[in-house]
Amino acid sequence: DAGVIQSPRHEVTEMGQEVTLRCKPISGHDYLFWYRQTMMRGLELLIYFNNNVPIDDSGMPEDRFSAKMPNASFSTLKIQPSEPRDSAVYFCASSDIKRGAYNEQFFGPGTRLTVL
Amino acid sequence: AQTVTQSQPEMSVQEAETVTLSCTYDTSENNYYLFWYKQPPSRQMILVIRQEAYKQQNATENRFSVNFQKAAKSFSLKISDSQLGDTAMYFCAFMKHEGRDDKIIFGKGTRLHILP
Repeated sequence: DAGVIQSPRHEVTEMGQEVTLRCKPISGHDYLFWYRQTMMRGLELLIYFNNNVPIDDSGMPEDRFSAKMPNASFSTLKIQPSEPRDSAVYFCASSDIKRGAYNEQFFGPGTRLTVL
Repeated sequence: AQTVTQSQPEMSVQEAETVTLSCTYDTSENNYYLFWYKQPPSRQMILVIRQEAYKQQNATENRFSVNFQKAAKSFSLKISDSQLGDTAMYFCAFMKHEGRDDKIIFGKGTRLHILP
């Protein structure tokens, strides 16, 4: 398996622009998570999905952030409009609850977002 | 709410030495999982070791072992015979065992430098 795939790996944009981050989870995994990592706040869970349905979006910082999962193999995290304080590394992770025991989350390589 | 605390922001040790990373957590749950994740400079999050709270035996994975003290809510990671490739950020993490809440709570991390 190719693992969790994220695109783009790096994104530089100007304040006010719309940013869309993409994630393809591991095939067969039924949970998908979006995290944000910054030096100040560490690794924060933004939202997660189970079987394409958002379960908990309490970590989404503002209405400028939205996430969708139209099917089991694709999810997007959108920021509109973007602000400099959104600069961070955004990770996507997936897991397979059906496997039981460990519920290990497999992380993608992350997208480094810079908002100028 | 669960919290995870890593009291050592940064550590440095000589190659081949043994190093212990500290982690404490707070929860009212009885059944849960604990994890150590490694994030090397490549940014990829990699699961190092996991522990189920109901297991008294400490988990071991090659050079990595944990000291799980449930009553003290302590979960330290020991790296034996440290190698240059162990240089990374290490995150301690907690997850409830039951229910639909599949969120992982991460600590702020400990940056570990292995010196040649």
